[in-house]
Amino acid sequence: DAGVTQSPTHLIKTRGQQVTLRCSPKSGHDTVSWYQQALGQGPQFIFQYYEEEERQRGNFPDRFSGHQFPNYSSELNVNALLLGDSALYLCASSPAREGRPNEQFFGPGTRLTVL
Amino acid sequence: KNEVEQSPQNLTAQEGEFITINCSYSVGISALHWLQQHPGGGIVSLFMLSSGKKKHGRLIATINIQEKHSSLHITASHPRDSAVYICAVINRDDKIIFGKGTRLHILP
Repeated sequence: DAGVTQSPTHLIKTRGQQVTLRCSPKSGHDTVSWYQQALGQGPQFIFQYYEEEERQRGNFPDRFSGHQFPNYSSELNVNALLLGDSALYLCASSPAREGRPNEQFFGPGTRLTVL
Repeated sequence: KNEVEQSPQNLTAQEGEFITINCSYSVGISALHWLQQHPGGGIVSLFMLSSGKKKHGRLIATINIQEKHSSLHITASHPRDSAVYICAVINRDDKIIFGKGTRLHILP
């Protein structure tokens, strides 16, 4: 079991560009969550995908969008990049179990630098 | 005020010392995570607990739901325990709220 994988590991973009980050969940997991972690801060929830739909969303602008594919993998897209979007982007997967809190398994993250 | 507060923010200790990291939260929760993040970013889930106490090796996590407080203890600390430890709660809406983390440095 490869666990949660993310690609790419590192990425450098310039202001105004668009970026796509990818995540493959742990085997058997169907829910994917994305987080942004600025340097020295705890992660902030961006959104969560389940059954190919955005189920929950944090306080992030519409420039942040996502997608989940039938194989449960997910993409995070950020348009019109700002310097402040520079951060570590973490993906976490969990199994969907009604009525129970789910332990999330985190990927290694993608470090995005916006110049 | 943050919904999840951790203390201390930074902790430096000698190898072998007993370590305690605290987490207080102000929202209703269904569970609490303790996470470990090493330099480079990867996060590992150490514990998820809803009540009482869990132990794994040299790590012990406790939670008091009434007092809205959890502690992470490390016995016989070792330099390889140096990392950022993050407390995260799952609220009633099933959202995860993270603390800012405690940076632990164990000196040999």
